[in-house]
Amino acid sequence: GQQLNQSPQSMFIQEGEDVSMNCTSSSIFNTWLWYKQDPGEGPVLLIALYKAGELTSNGRLTAQFGITRKDSFLNISASIPSDVGIYFCAGPTGNQFYFGTGTSLTVIP
Amino acid sequence: EAQVTQNPRYLITVTGKKLTVTCSQNMNHEYMSWYRQDPGLGLRQIYYSMNVEVTDKGDVPEGYKVSRKEKRNFPLILESPSPNQTSLYFCASSLTGAKYGYTFGSGTRLTVV
Repeated sequence: GQQLNQSPQSMFIQEGEDVSMNCTSSSIFNTWLWYKQDPGEGPVLLIALYKAGELTSNGRLTAQFGITRKDSFLNISASIPSDVGIYFCAGPTGNQFYFGTGTSLTVIP
Repeated sequence: EAQVTQNPRYLITVTGKKLTVTCSQNMNHEYMSWYRQDPGLGLRQIYYSMNVEVTDKGDVPEGYKVSRKEKRNFPLILESPSPNQTSLYFCASSLTGAKYGYTFGSGTRLTVV
């Protein structure tokens, strides 16, 4: 199956700091999705990207579809305690759906 | 409320004892899918279904069965569970397919001893 690698694996940041994380694939995707998983819950869709180079925002979150179509980036500005969780990139290939390995975010008040 | 409901939330069972994890969605979604989540591996797709009676294997189907007899339900069956199937399982559904993302249930934590 497809491999989606996320970095960093984990982050510990101070409240108010900006966060950047990325996701890379060994093959091309035509859609990139970013999910957040709160402890004890299922992932929730944050942002969807459908075109190479596309930049899309959702509140303090901004995601970009890399121009090579093999990567995507997620930025969180002015982090707050409720940003804590695991962030996953994901992408479909046909009807199959692949998730990245996840970036765990801890925000220190 | 639009949701995907899984049951049970927690399950401890013994090796070889058949079990079923139920999944139901109330959004009239065509697509449904099962995932398992393991530390360091992210979520991996087990099986998916595009419609009633239409299912296909995901990345890690070995040891699992599914059925889609009704649009709203998509149970996951472990005929003979083994300890390596200890994991966190998620059911998900989508109106039009993977491209627009899935809505996930709250998960089932399965322990096989």
